[in-house]
Amino acid sequence: RKEVEQDPGPFNVPEGATVAFNCTYSNSASQSFFWYRQDCRKEPKLLMSVYSSGNEDGRFTAQLNRASQYISLLIRDSKLSDSATYLCVVKRSGGYQKVTFGTGTKLQVIP
Amino acid sequence: DGGITQSPKYLFRKEGQNVTLSCEQNLNHDAMYWYRQDPGQGLRLIYYSQIVNDFQKGDIAEGYSVSREKKESFPLTVTSAQKNPTAFYLCASSRGLAAQETQYFGPGTRLLVL
Repeated sequence: RKEVEQDPGPFNVPEGATVAFNCTYSNSASQSFFWYRQDCRKEPKLLMSVYSSGNEDGRFTAQLNRASQYISLLIRDSKLSDSATYLCVVKRSGGYQKVTFGTGTKLQVIP
Repeated sequence: DGGITQSPKYLFRKEGQNVTLSCEQNLNHDAMYWYRQDPGQGLRLIYYSQIVNDFQKGDIAEGYSVSREKKESFPLTVTSAQKNPTAFYLCASSRGLAAQETQYFGPGTRLLVL
């Protein structure tokens, strides 16, 4: 089983729709969680960190479920500019930093 | 403006040739990283460095080498021993190695084999 798994998509949604992605992780020692956005042929950019209590940034909401070992990203009122690949990142400490990137979920927002 | 720069944007390598990818940051970050991204795969860690003059192998270090002589710089050499070097190479930095520290990425270098 992969340490971090994401549905690769693509998710094709109309403008204005709400879309949600999940990311599951297998190592219960994982401590920190992030969502990054990557545009085609560009570098990943931090979208938001994911906190235990859940957090919101405008149209984006991130949730962490430690019991079921997954994180989620909800995008409300999708814009054309939201089209990108969304990478889940899971980190754990201990000896040396271990960072695992998911393969990403591709979102295409359609006019 | 603070940030991470990588050069060149595109790099072509001939068989048997060593090539060096540049990574510079002016964020005053202690930790720096090199990742490789292949289509359909997540980023994979090649090497990382916590402080100057110290670096550790990541998951796929074979065929690569690094140096960390200055805090700002973390060049990656792709040696002829790396048999499948075609990929998108990303350099990143963070304040430290703690799990909660955010990594920031440079714009990347695309390496192609001629």
